[in-house]
Amino acid sequence: EPEVTQTPSHQVTQMGQEVILRCVPISNHLYFYWYRQILGQKVEFLVSFYNNEISEKSEIFDDQFSVERPDGSNFTLKIRSTKLEDSAMYFCASRRDINQPQHFGDGTRLSIL
Amino acid sequence: DQQVKQNSPSLSVQEGRISILNCDYTNSMFDYFLWYKKYPAEGPTFLISISSIKDKNEDGRFTVFLNKSAKHLSLHIVPSQPGDSAVYFCAASDGTYKYIFGTGTRLKVLA
Repeated sequence: EPEVTQTPSHQVTQMGQEVILRCVPISNHLYFYWYRQILGQKVEFLVSFYNNEISEKSEIFDDQFSVERPDGSNFTLKIRSTKLEDSAMYFCASRRDINQPQHFGDGTRLSIL
Repeated sequence: DQQVKQNSPSLSVQEGRISILNCDYTNSMFDYFLWYKKYPAEGPTFLISISSIKDKNEDGRFTVFLNKSAKHLSLHIVPSQPGDSAVYFCAASDGTYKYIFGTGTRLKVLA
């Protein structure tokens, strides 16, 4: 069964550095998402991406964050000037159309030191 | 902003019995609800969903019930199996792109 794949599984970064989290959505999917889960808290929506543009973003997704689909397969989340509170699990998700459920990757654990 | 609430952080059930996981929501604009299961070190896995035009949806051992007037949904697992032990999240959508998740209920099925 096709899967959403995320790399790396764990990223350790110094505070203030930039980090790029990578995702390969399921190949025929058109809608792409990033969520995060801070330890012990709920999964929170960050951003959705469709037709090569952001379709919706949360208040968490400020100017520090950006997303890109640089080619036909990858979907990336860039966090500039990381802060301690950016430490979390970041999940990528995708779906084929708006009436289908979102399928999630296994996440990237981001640790900011 | 707790639009989706799962008030039971944990639940233990004997193997073979029914597991009932509950979820409450406050936003009457939600029209699509889902349940996801999550094992440690893995992402959420889609289990079952229900549209607001229905009050029940069944898939094998999993049944989701929706009570719109009470703004309540529940997931029934019967019979429960040890492999069902995981964290279960309910999620809701108002027709926009995002899902709003609850805080999760950790289910432990005892052999």
